[in-house]
Amino acid sequence: AQSVTQLDSHVSVSEGTPVLLRCNYSSSYSPSLFWYVQHPNKGLQLLLKYTSAATLVKGINGFEAEFKKSETSFHLTKPSAHMSDAAEYFCVVSEGYALNFGKGTSLLVTP
Amino acid sequence: DAGVIQSPRHEVTEMGQEVTLRCKPISGHDYLFWYRQTMMRGLELLIYFNNNVPIDDSGMPEDRFSAKMPNASFSTLKIQPSEPRDSAVYFCASRVSGIITDTQYFGPGTRLTVL
Repeated sequence: AQSVTQLDSHVSVSEGTPVLLRCNYSSSYSPSLFWYVQHPNKGLQLLLKYTSAATLVKGINGFEAEFKKSETSFHLTKPSAHMSDAAEYFCVVSEGYALNFGKGTSLLVTP
Repeated sequence: DAGVIQSPRHEVTEMGQEVTLRCKPISGHDYLFWYRQTMMRGLELLIYFNNNVPIDDSGMPEDRFSAKMPNASFSTLKIQPSEPRDSAVYFCASRVSGIITDTQYFGPGTRLTVL
């Protein structure tokens, strides 16, 4: 079974500083990986996805993630946090067409 | 497109009552998924359908839960009888068949509270 582990349940950053949300995966083959975001009381929105075409994946709202096979990681980054980035972020691995979600990382952005 | 539509958005019921959650997938999508989100367990896949046929229901917690998809534009998740531990946000999602990394689109969720 494919699974992901999000290493931090909460991350707090100041507005304008970099964001790093960490995710490790466990997979017996080349995985399909995603990051989803959930704003308070909202549904889930796809931020970006790894399709094996490139190890550095660019997503919406300035987010990026880098697939590192040697480290089994797929960390999410953003150079400069904005107040509107405050949300819950989920690292996700596909199991066929179904998705296995990590526990989530709550990102707090302070002024 | 209106996206995935779920109703009701909020449901409060008493233990022992029957609860029915509804989902309308995006037109043309042939996969439909039901997920449950709780603080303790996070987001879990309950069941998914392909072309209205249940493919994997191994995530359905127990016999009190049932899901149907009578046609391509409608699905229900029923809990009978409901229990307080069923309180959660239930999400419906849909996608087209194709490559694995095609996007799965989520509805806004139904927040269920069982008293």
